[in-house]
Amino acid sequence: GQQVMQIPQYQHVQEGEDFTTYCNSSTTLSNIQWYKQRPGGHPVFLIQLVKSGEVKKQKRLTFQFGEAKKNSSLHITATQTTDVGTYFCAGDFGNEKLTFGTGTRLTIIP
Amino acid sequence: GAVVSQHPSWVICKSGTSVKIECRSLDFQATTMFWYRQFPKQSLMLMATSNEGSKATYEQGVEKDKFLINHASLTLSTLTVTSAHPEDSSFYICSSPTGGNSPLHFGNGTRLTVT
Repeated sequence: GQQVMQIPQYQHVQEGEDFTTYCNSSTTLSNIQWYKQRPGGHPVFLIQLVKSGEVKKQKRLTFQFGEAKKNSSLHITATQTTDVGTYFCAGDFGNEKLTFGTGTRLTIIP
Repeated sequence: GAVVSQHPSWVICKSGTSVKIECRSLDFQATTMFWYRQFPKQSLMLMATSNEGSKATYEQGVEKDKFLINHASLTLSTLTVTSAHPEDSSFYICSSPTGGNSPLHFGNGTRLTVT
């Protein structure tokens, strides 16, 4: 079946260090989306990547979509305590359904 | 932008009772609504897809007689958890596409606790 794997499952970083989470799909994606979920909250949409090799930036966040449209990454530069949460990628295989990755839980050590 | 309003945001019910969760599209027509479930510290898992005026499509392993989905209008989809049990305690969240290559619009979710 169509699966989206995400690593690492957990990441603990010192405040100010960088953070990266990786997402891999079993098959080619139509697009990939990234969400952030704070503890007790609902997923909040961050960005959508559609084109092969696409790179998008949002302040300290950099999102990449692989050339084969099967993998993606989210990189946060110089993490801050406000970055705490679980980051999910979610793949669209062309049917508008989103298959969520397993998530990466980021904790920041002040 | 497109807004999906989900109610209630949280509910506590006794085992054996039924709970209805509503998702309304406020400024667009939601012909399709996806229903997800998220257990603590886990990812969101798609339960079913509802389409206005037709039967919902359930993902493998999801009991259609337990999770009743109704999508009677272009602005309202409901999920009813029937004969709820403690293992149904979870975070339920709906989302709807707005067409094209646009991202899905999510409701704020419903946290269900069955005692």
